[in-house]
Amino acid sequence: DGGITQSPKYLFRKEGQNVTLSCEQNLNHDAMYWYRQDPGQGLRLIYYSQIVNDFQKGDIAEGYSVSREKKESFPLTVTSAQKNPTAFYLCASSTSRDTQYFGPGTRLTVL
Amino acid sequence: SQQGEEDPQALSIQEGENATMNCSYKTSINNLQWYRQNSGRGLVHLILIRSNEREKHSGRLRVTLDTSKKSSSLLITASRAADTASYFCATDADDYKLSFGAGTTVTVRA
Repeated sequence: DGGITQSPKYLFRKEGQNVTLSCEQNLNHDAMYWYRQDPGQGLRLIYYSQIVNDFQKGDIAEGYSVSREKKESFPLTVTSAQKNPTAFYLCASSTSRDTQYFGPGTRLTVL
Repeated sequence: SQQGEEDPQALSIQEGENATMNCSYKTSINNLQWYRQNSGRGLVHLILIRSNEREKHSGRLRVTLDTSKKSSSLLITASRAADTASYFCATDADDYKLSFGAGTTVTVRA
């Protein structure tokens, strides 16, 4: 899992609640990414950031928000507007268009 | 959007056998990557092949790329129980983004 940490490992959300997933990297990478993975499926890009204080929507950004105030940190908030948030969330970082390094993931379950 | 599509969806082999999986994609690429994911874990990068390369090796892994057919294959030789995982191909879309396929689940039987 390299130098990327995600917390918590498991997260439970009640209906109507916002929750924030943490992602920290010590690889000095400029770019960071958030993906969602549903059972038996590939990864779908939620948001990505190429530089501090800048980020772009991915393919499924609705109901999610991010911030990039520090190079090392890229937290993801799952808002109450995301109607089906139960999934496995993966954070990654990279220096270029090449290799992405992934964290261990956070499994979010809606109660 | 998922550009890469892996085939087969699932593969079951005996320990010591070779495993081959394929990836097809739709648009031109700069490079193609293969990643492995153990159950419930993050993805681990295996190998990257650039568009001007046709074959690449890394240990027991062999990757080929045919840009005319927009396809790639990953061969794992002499498989081990520890190779049991899902394998994903990823193509570079634009900027810093990668597009992942749905993956091939490989089970290696002892």
